[in-house]
Amino acid sequence: GAGVSQSPRYKVTKRGQDVTLRCDPISSHATLYWYQQALGQGPEFLTYFNYEAQPDKSGLPSDRFSAERPEGSISTLTIQRTEQRDSAMYRCASSLDDRGTQYFGPGTRLLVL
Amino acid sequence: GQQLNQSPQSMFIQEGEDVSMNCTSSSIFNTWLWYKQDPGEGPVLLIALYKAGELTSNGRLTAQFGITRKDSFLNISASIPSDVGIYFCAGPSGGSYIPTFGRGTSLIVHP
Repeated sequence: GAGVSQSPRYKVTKRGQDVTLRCDPISSHATLYWYQQALGQGPEFLTYFNYEAQPDKSGLPSDRFSAERPEGSISTLTIQRTEQRDSAMYRCASSLDDRGTQYFGPGTRLLVL
Repeated sequence: GQQLNQSPQSMFIQEGEDVSMNCTSSSIFNTWLWYKQDPGEGPVLLIALYKAGELTSNGRLTAQFGITRKDSFLNISASIPSDVGIYFCAGPSGGSYIPTFGRGTSLIVHP
């Protein structure tokens, strides 16, 4: 695609529910990143993929968070049993490779009530 | 982990003024990145710096990689209303290429 897209743009959920966020990277990009951005903060790394491989998931805050990229293109980030502290903007970025310039999507704003 | 300290946290300036912001790190960086985040959008890379002492310009923006490799500066000359946004410094941590981001400098330009 022309740029990185994310859906939904906004998600409101109740505490304890599971949510799945989607990222559609730039089509030629091998590397895909997930970040969490709290209000007034910079993006914080969660995990990344090179194609379908997930070399680093050290930034995932707990085992309730997981991400997939099964065919090396679209990725999903799933948060199970959401908690209020999970409320944040979740950003996806992609790059040609793991050294290339990252292009960010518009983000999904998650609100857990 | 590594921490990046950006200052100032916010700036309110008149159109036409020059702007200066900086970023310091507790450890040495090999690359400094400056991003701008427009309201409702994701961060966009403005300038990348790869060598200590390097000074790089992109239009009205100039950024420098500090000699100590623990700091970087971004200057914007003759600010215009579309410069409004949040400016983030970032740099890869440890041996990886994944950037750590600062907390950002929020810039408001009054016409």
